[in-house]
Amino acid sequence: SQQGEEDPQALSIQEGENATMNCSYKTSINNLQWYRQNSGRGLVHLILIRSNEREKHSGRLRVTLDTSKKSSSLLITASRAADTASYFCATDTGANSKLTFGKGITLSVRP
Amino acid sequence: DAGVIQSPRHEVTEMGQEVTLRCKPISGHDYLFWYRQTMMRGLELLIYFNNNVPIDDSGMPEDRFSAKMPNASFSTLKIQPSEPRDSAVYFCASRSTVQPQHFGDGTRLSIL
Repeated sequence: SQQGEEDPQALSIQEGENATMNCSYKTSINNLQWYRQNSGRGLVHLILIRSNEREKHSGRLRVTLDTSKKSSSLLITASRAADTASYFCATDTGANSKLTFGKGITLSVRP
Repeated sequence: DAGVIQSPRHEVTEMGQEVTLRCKPISGHDYLFWYRQTMMRGLELLIYFNNNVPIDDSGMPEDRFSAKMPNASFSTLKIQPSEPRDSAVYFCASRSTVQPQHFGDGTRLSIL
């Protein structure tokens, strides 16, 4: 079953613009993670935010977490063509070592 | 750091044949995960190991699928007999207790 549901399913923006992607989940979590997948490659971990954190930054990435709404957002600022990829949120409930992934958001950044 | 290594990268075979996918996790990682990715179902966890022991195989679709981890540096996922609906990209990932998962580049499997 899908724990994380990303929104929108696809996003197309111009280089230099900001990209905002959302993730909603259903059960309590220990942490939430965002991954990127380039075409034909494996997933690459971007950032992890714990349930007691509200916001986290890493370079051009900003992640927020609202546990009351069971939602998270990933903001990529000043997007580049190289940011074109699929982005997945994954939830860790802490009950075991498993992550549950959403179906992903396809981001296209036009040069 | 060599990362998670999967082989082969591509496999095309006829239905009914046995398929073996291989994974070498990152050295020192004590968790290993096998996933399957399709357009329809997204990324599904099939099975994961901790210290070479299978912990949860509830995602394995049916008895045709089996996975082993004979030592800390090698794991296999086997499908016997294979069917066209098994066509997908299969990923292996590993992590240590305090790290996020590191994924290999996957095996693209096509069953004709």
